[in-house]
Amino acid sequence: AQSVTQPDIHITVSEGASLELRCNYSYGATPYLFWYVQSPGQGLQLLLKYFSGDTLVQGIKGFEAEFKRSQSSFNLRKPSVHWSDAAEYFCAVGPYSGGGADGLTFGKGTHLIIQP
Amino acid sequence: DVKVTQSSRYLVKRTGEKVFLECVQDMDHENMFWYRQDPGLGLRLIYFSYDVKMKEKGDIPEGYSVSREKKERFSLILESASTNQTSMYLCASSLTSGGIYEQYFGPGTRLTVT
Repeated sequence: AQSVTQPDIHITVSEGASLELRCNYSYGATPYLFWYVQSPGQGLQLLLKYFSGDTLVQGIKGFEAEFKRSQSSFNLRKPSVHWSDAAEYFCAVGPYSGGGADGLTFGKGTHLIIQP
Repeated sequence: DVKVTQSSRYLVKRTGEKVFLECVQDMDHENMFWYRQDPGLGLRLIYFSYDVKMKEKGDIPEGYSVSREKKERFSLILESASTNQTSMYLCASSLTSGGIYEQYFGPGTRLTVT
């Protein structure tokens, strides 16, 4: 069965510092990988996605992520965080069986706290 | 922009009540999903649908049913609400075209069962 692990439940970063959120996955085939962000009381917004091709993908809000097949990882990075980046971040892998209708498997999330 | 709307942001129901959560998307997406989100557990898939009148169970379908009579609308039904169904419920939709699988989420419904 596929799974996603986000090892860090909480991360605290100073404003202006760099950020890396970790994501490891288990998947039997070529994965489709996603990072979503959830602000308090809101739904999830897609930050970026990886389907194939260049393993370094750029997303919205200055985020990027790198797919490393050998490490089964898809870590999210940002060179300089802003206070508005404080949110919950979810990594996801899918679909279940290669068909687009199936749901995604989500990690349990990483709560990002920004220190002034 | 894709828009996914959910009928209520907050809902309070009593144990044993029948509860309907409605979701509507405006982008003609084939696929629609219902997740529940709980602290420390992330998002878990309850049901999904890839076409009108079609449905598939996700990871935690027990205690829930769904209905999809029109392409744009996907309803989650709690036949007899229980306190352990207190949660945030998120609806999502996606378009299966050319291998594009990202899902677009609604704002969520926070359901409290007392």
